[in-house]
Amino acid sequence: QVHLQQWGAGLLKPSENLSLTCVVYGGSFSGHYWSWIRQPPGEGLEWIGEINHSGSTNYNPSLKSRVTMLEDTSKNQFSLNLTSVTAADTAMYYCAGIDGDSGIFNVWGQGTLVTVSS
Amino acid sequence: QSVLTQSPSASGTPGQRVTISCSGSSSNIGSNYVFWYQRLPGTAPKPLIYKNYQRPSGVPDRFSGSKSGTSASLAISGLRSEDEADYYCAAWDDSLSGWVFGGGTKLAVL
Repeated sequence: QVHLQQWGAGLLKPSENLSLTCVVYGGSFSGHYWSWIRQPPGEGLEWIGEINHSGSTNYNPSLKSRVTMLEDTSKNQFSLNLTSVTAADTAMYYCAGIDGDSGIFNVWGQGTLVTVSS
Repeated sequence: QSVLTQSPSASGTPGQRVTISCSGSSSNIGSNYVFWYQRLPGTAPKPLIYKNYQRPSGVPDRFSGSKSGTSASLAISGLRSEDEADYYCAAWDDSLSGWVFGGGTKLAVL
C-alpha cells in the first residue's frame, strides 16, 4: 500500500522560498501522478501542480510563475519549490497521488503547516 | 474564491439523509468527472467518490454521488456521528488545465 511522508520548513519570512519534499513508500512511483495541494486557513483546497514519473509538470496558472516541481525517481520522492512567499501562501500543504485507474487523489501525505510571517 | 461552489455548512440528525451540492461550469463539472473527499478534523482528505458516483474500496454504500449538467451532489444516508467532517468536491478544469476544488461543506451531526 502506497504511503506518503512529507517534510519541509514550517515557518518562513516574506520573500523567502518554500521548499517541501514528499517520499513515496510501498508502491510504484510511476503508477501515479503526483501533486501538491494546499489549504489556507478557513479556505478550500487549492491544487498547486502535478508531476508525473517522466518529470513532466503541470502547474496552476495562478502560481505558475513561482512554482517548480521536481522528482527524484531514484529516491522515490518529489518536491515543491515556491518562490517569494507572502502571507497569502500561509496554508497546510499536502502532497498527494492520483491513481491512474480511478483518477482520484487516493493517497495523501500527512500535511505540513507553512506559516509566512515577518 | 473556489472555482467550484459549495454551501459552507450542512447538518442532520443521526439516521437522516443529507445532500451536499457542488456547482461548477461547462469547463469542469460539465465536461469532466466529479470527485468527492472527506476531511475529518486534523487529518488529510480521504477519497470518497470517484468518477461521479463510484466508491473506493472501504467506503460504505451510505455515501453516494451523482452529477447532472454542471452540478453534482453527494448524499449521505443513515447519518452517523462519525460523518461529521468537511466534504470537498473536485473536478478537472479544461480551461485551467488543472484540478479545481470546492470551498468545502462542513457537515454537523446534531
